[in-house]
Amino acid sequence: EIVLTQSPGTLSLSPGERATLSCRASQSVSSSYLAWYQQRPGQTPRLLIYGASSRATGIPDRFSGSGSGTDFTLTISRLEPEDFAVYYCQQYGDSPRGFTFGPGTRVDIK
Amino acid sequence: DVQLVESGGGLVKPGGSLRLSCAASGFTFSSYTLNWVRQAPGKGLEWVSSINSVSSYIYYADSVKGRFTISRDNAKNSLYLQMDSPRAEDTAVYYCAREGLGRDGFHLDYWGQGTLVTVSS
Repeated sequence: EIVLTQSPGTLSLSPGERATLSCRASQSVSSSYLAWYQQRPGQTPRLLIYGASSRATGIPDRFSGSGSGTDFTLTISRLEPEDFAVYYCQQYGDSPRGFTFGPGTRVDIK
Repeated sequence: DVQLVESGGGLVKPGGSLRLSCAASGFTFSSYTLNWVRQAPGKGLEWVSSINSVSSYIYYADSVKGRFTISRDNAKNSLYLQMDSPRAEDTAVYYCAREGLGRDGFHLDYWGQGTLVTVSS
């Protein structure tokens, strides 16, 4: 079973700064199987990135995803006030079948 | 617009049973794989179960296998989760989520607002 590790656990930044979030898998993951979600306080998760680098519908272009194999990155180029949230990476497994989420990275206002 | 609306949550005793429902609208329900994902209070996301469009492929997380049953009714555009013998550790908000389609469809593109299940005596 593939385990996802996210770092850092918490990122404290100011609006306008760049955020770089890491997701590392215990085994190689197909890029097609890697996604990122945002969850604002008290809200439902929202899909940001799928296929490691494709933005979901309506997601601003300040969000970008990259990476392959075991190392993936979510970058927010310039933080807006609404971007302070928890971010989860996710992979889809063939064996066993199902989704696995990372523990999340919290992006806080510095 | 795509909408997923969960219902059926509440307080249930350990060893009891509860049935969650998810009413879908705004898309061709019968074409999509649907999932249940849960989130314990203050914790991260945990995938629970999935069911494909015609109910021929069903998968569960090990943590719920043998106790929870996922099902769907395409005529009613509805997804269900039967929770039998729940435990305290099943306390969580349960989300219904739609899986993407196609070659890059291994993600959850729409989520409901969730329904809270509390397992306590």
